[in-house]
Amino acid sequence: GAGVSQSPSNKVTEKGKDVELRCDPISGHTALYWYRQRLGQGLEFLIYFQGNSAPDKSGLPSDRFSAERTGESVSTLTIQRTQQEDSAVYLCASSSGLIDPLNEQFFGPGTRLTVL
Amino acid sequence: AQKITQTQPGMFVQEKEAVTLDCTYDTSDPSYGLFWYKQPSSGEMIFLIYQGSYDQQNATEGRYSLNFQKARKSANLVISASQLGDSAMYFCAMREWRGDDKIIFGKGTRLHILP
Repeated sequence: GAGVSQSPSNKVTEKGKDVELRCDPISGHTALYWYRQRLGQGLEFLIYFQGNSAPDKSGLPSDRFSAERTGESVSTLTIQRTQQEDSAVYLCASSSGLIDPLNEQFFGPGTRLTVL
Repeated sequence: AQKITQTQPGMFVQEKEAVTLDCTYDTSDPSYGLFWYKQPSSGEMIFLIYQGSYDQQNATEGRYSLNFQKARKSANLVISASQLGDSAMYFCAMREWRGDDKIIFGKGTRLHILP
């Protein structure tokens, strides 16, 4: 596909359940990011993958959150034992990772997670 | 300390007026890039404009321009002749060239254009 895709677009789950959110970056993009955006709020950085380097997990809010990336392709964000405060839109973005002055991030449409 | 600060959580501007959205940043890296993104109510993130730290001139893209004041570490977005469709959330972001590709976003400014 031409852009970043995310699935599902919407996810409703019960408190305590685990959820998996998927991101397909633009083909060839080595950098991949996950952000959380609560209603009416800014983007909260969660985790960043760059090629084969160790991911930057400094934004993960708790050990209930984890993410994996297979090579330079799909990434999965997993939230275990979901809580109501996890309700948010989870945005994925990718960039080429090149040393390029203009190396913008391309965002996916997001996954809206609602924890009941 | 916050890397990107957007001090205006919300703004109301009359249609056709120019609007300035503030952004200040904090970095010790001499090489960095600054970005502005627009997020309409639909939720998509739309890239607007970029300014590199070594760029001599302020970036412009159509009705968007970036008022880059390096010494003050500010990168304000100026929208000329505002339109109703400009109503959205606007995010300022920065990338430091330290060998990684991490971009840090500000908390955003919600802009409302009034008819």
